Amino acid sequence: AQRVTQPEKLLSVFKGAPVELKCNYSYSGSPELFWYVQYSRQRLQLLLRHISRESIKGFTADLNKGETSFHLKKPFAQEEDSAMYYCALSGKSGGYNKLIFGAGTRLAVHP
Amino acid sequence: EAQVTQNPRYLITVTGKKLTVTCSQNMNHEYMSWYRQDPGLGLRQIYYSMNVEVTDKGDVPEGYKVSRKEKRNFPLILESPSPNQTSLYFCASSSRQGSETQYFGPGTRLLVL
Repeated sequence: AQRVTQPEKLLSVFKGAPVELKCNYSYSGSPELFWYVQYSRQRLQLLLRHISRESIKGFTADLNKGETSFHLKKPFAQEEDSAMYYCALSGKSGGYNKLIFGAGTRLAVHP
Repeated sequence: EAQVTQNPRYLITVTGKKLTVTCSQNMNHEYMSWYRQDPGLGLRQIYYSMNVEVTDKGDVPEGYKVSRKEKRNFPLILESPSPNQTSLYFCASSSRQGSETQYFGPGTRLLVL
């Protein structure tokens, strides 16, 4: 079964500290993985996707097929990074591509 | 401006009173979807539509209906709302299924008493 697991509901760090939001997935084929972010009172928006191999707002994420992980990292957290982060997987299910979200991790960055 | 809009943004209703949440996108996207967001459960797909007149169930379709008569609109209908449908609802669209970036609406917060 396809599944996305984000083990931490809440991650609390101080400004300037490194951040790693964990994401593990279960999928038998070659998945496409995404991180979406939801800032307070705003809509969900795409943060980054693994095929782009880009860094957005200082965040990076590397797909590790051996560990089936797609952890989101940032070396120095900023207060404006406080938000809800969702890991998502796109894969075939019942003949069509489907986007499956994890339960989300709330990142709180304290001054 | 390219966007997905939803109305209403907030709604309080009573059990059994039919309601419709509208969703509209101006990006000529073929694929549209409805999700509900609940604490600890993340986003779960309710229904999706691959094009006009083509809709199918997502993971949690019970108690919901949708229609896609026009490409830009994808309303979510609750024929007889119940308290367990109290949630935050998001509409999303993308140019194709799944693997393309999904654009989300601002959300509709529904309370069913």
